[in-house]
Amino acid sequence: NAGVTQTPKFRILKIGQSMTLQCAQDMNHNYMYWYRQDPGMGLKLIYYSVGAGITDKGEVPNGYNVSRSTTEDFPLRLELAAPSQTSVYFCASSSLGAQETQYFGPGTRLLVL
Amino acid sequence: LAKTTQPISMDSYEGQEVNITCSHNNIATNDYITWYQQFPSQGPRFIIQGYKTKVTNEVASLFIPADRKSSTLSLPRVSLSDTAVYYCLVHYSGGYQKVTFGTGTKLQVIP
Repeated sequence: NAGVTQTPKFRILKIGQSMTLQCAQDMNHNYMYWYRQDPGMGLKLIYYSVGAGITDKGEVPNGYNVSRSTTEDFPLRLELAAPSQTSVYFCASSSLGAQETQYFGPGTRLLVL
Repeated sequence: LAKTTQPISMDSYEGQEVNITCSHNNIATNDYITWYQQFPSQGPRFIIQGYKTKVTNEVASLFIPADRKSSTLSLPRVSLSDTAVYYCLVHYSGGYQKVTFGTGTKLQVIP
């Protein structure tokens, strides 16, 4: 199993540009999460999903959108990139929800200039 | 969201036992506490989880006192490879969005 994979590893965006961060898992987990981690800080939940077709906001959802059309994939969309979105983005998945171990991907480093 | 608090950093010599404490207010009986380890440029990795008293696995122990206002991660005989940031995560039973990562404790193991 590859676990949780994320692409790209690193990206530079100009202010106002859009992009999609890809996340996929091959563990057949129902729950998936997107976090951002600013330098020297902890992780903050952006969005999460409890299954295909079901998503909900986390702590810091502004400026982002998600969709979940399949169990495996959970892309994160940035519509109008802003410098405040410069961060490292981690995708995670778990089998049964918040009480279960979350498996994290390697992260996507995003720089908005 | 309730807040968790951890020491910002700790230093330890190789071979010593390290205890990292997480303070958390208003956690319910069924709320789980999970500890993750994070190395630079990597995603967090699960270490241990529990919701009461003591849990032990092959790498760590987790102690939760009766008042549940704090929990302690214990790492026996640390090595240089244990240098990392350790996060305390409380799973509040109110919903999946109520998953709060603490600020993390940067552990530096010294030879």
